[in-house]
Amino acid sequence: GAGVSQSPSNKVTEKGKDVELRCDPISGHTALYWYRQSLGQGLEFLIYFQGNSAPDKSGLPSDRFSAERTGGSVSTLTIQRTQQEDSAVYLCASSGGAGYRYEQYFGPGTRLTVT
Amino acid sequence: DAKTTQPPSMDCAEGRAANLPCNHSTISGNEYVYWYRQIHSQGPQYIIHGLKNNETNEMASLIITEDRKSSTLILPHATLRDTAVYYCIVRVRTGANSKLTFGKGITLSVRP
Repeated sequence: GAGVSQSPSNKVTEKGKDVELRCDPISGHTALYWYRQSLGQGLEFLIYFQGNSAPDKSGLPSDRFSAERTGGSVSTLTIQRTQQEDSAVYLCASSGGAGYRYEQYFGPGTRLTVT
Repeated sequence: DAKTTQPPSMDCAEGRAANLPCNHSTISGNEYVYWYRQIHSQGPQYIIHGLKNNETNEMASLIITEDRKSSTLILPHATLRDTAVYYCIVRVRTGANSKLTFGKGITLSVRP
């Protein structure tokens, strides 16, 4: 079946602009995660959605970052007033669903470059 | 999550088995061992996980020691496409603590 998709695949923006990154999880998956990966670094957790529960926002680095998940499916990560240190690959993963599969399946990522 | 230690790199000849070790001496009873890999410029890919029994799927085998303090991921017939960074993670399976934390992983280079 279809995997996790993310758009855009690449985004170049000027410092100070707002950006929106989109994630389409695997159909039926109840959990959705956002991570980011800076060049040569490991994964940094940002935010976690599980069903209708309040999201775990503990990984968001500043109040410029926010995310929402509409209808328990598609999620949007918004970065306001982007800074150069926001440049990274933003990865979305989903898990859960029929059979209680808890393994996280990742999308290809959005490479964000802030100039 | 329990910390894991992996050697930084290893190489393997194409067609041979690649055995990737991982130490997780502080693993808790409810923590699973997961393996992911990340091929250059792609998102991480789930490989396999286990609790205490050895596991096998179409991609790999996972051997967990009886005391659960270490494990080995085995790629039985490595190909050039298996060149990637492999991450060993121990974590609870569900809930608010289920986010993944990747360390530096082990870089596997498969040579022709």
